[in-house]
Amino acid sequence: AQTVTQSQPEMSVQEAETVTLSCTYDTSESDYYLFWYKQPPSRQMILVIRQEAYKQQNATENRFSVNFQKAAKSFSLKISDSQLGDAAMYFCAYRSNYGQNFVFGPGTRLSVLP
Amino acid sequence: ETGVTQTPRHLVMGMTNKKSLKCEQHLGHNAMYWYKQSAKKPLELMFVYNFKEQTENNSVPSRFSPECPNSSHLFLHLHTLQPEDSALYLCASSQDGQFQETQYFGPGTRLLVL
Repeated sequence: AQTVTQSQPEMSVQEAETVTLSCTYDTSESDYYLFWYKQPPSRQMILVIRQEAYKQQNATENRFSVNFQKAAKSFSLKISDSQLGDAAMYFCAYRSNYGQNFVFGPGTRLSVLP
Repeated sequence: ETGVTQTPRHLVMGMTNKKSLKCEQHLGHNAMYWYKQSAKKPLELMFVYNFKEQTENNSVPSRFSPECPNSSHLFLHLHTLQPEDSALYLCASSQDGQFQETQYFGPGTRLLVL
């Protein structure tokens, strides 16, 4: 079974600075998807960024980018120019290409300091 | 904000009660999911429906009974729950079968079992 680990339960960053959230996963599969989801306090979970495992190029979405290291099974999220609205729980998730079972990590709570 | 709605948003029930959670998606997706989110635990996938057929059931106790009458609606029927079932229950949908594997989440139902 696949597992997803987020080793940082909490992180903080100064506004306008850059922060990196780590995620590692364990799988024997070669084809899969990886996601970062954001859950602001008392608000809905929304997708931040996604990465297909067959793509070598790291995904980027505006201020959000990932460092996908397939051999190391690592999928970190970098947030540049952090904003107060970035404060949330961030979940890393894995989805096999062969089923519909999403596996989520335990989450990292990010605080943004003014 | 969302194409996935959930009702009720909050629910308090006794252990002998029967209640139902409702989820509706307005995105034209064909897959729907129930998740349980407990404090300090990773998001747990409970059930998956694809084209109204249940494709995943992750060892969920029988006191939780899902129903998917069509691709837009998903219910979770609850009966004789335990206090440890208190959690945030999230519904999600996705367009499975294509490259759009992203899940879109509803706001959740916060359940308290007394």
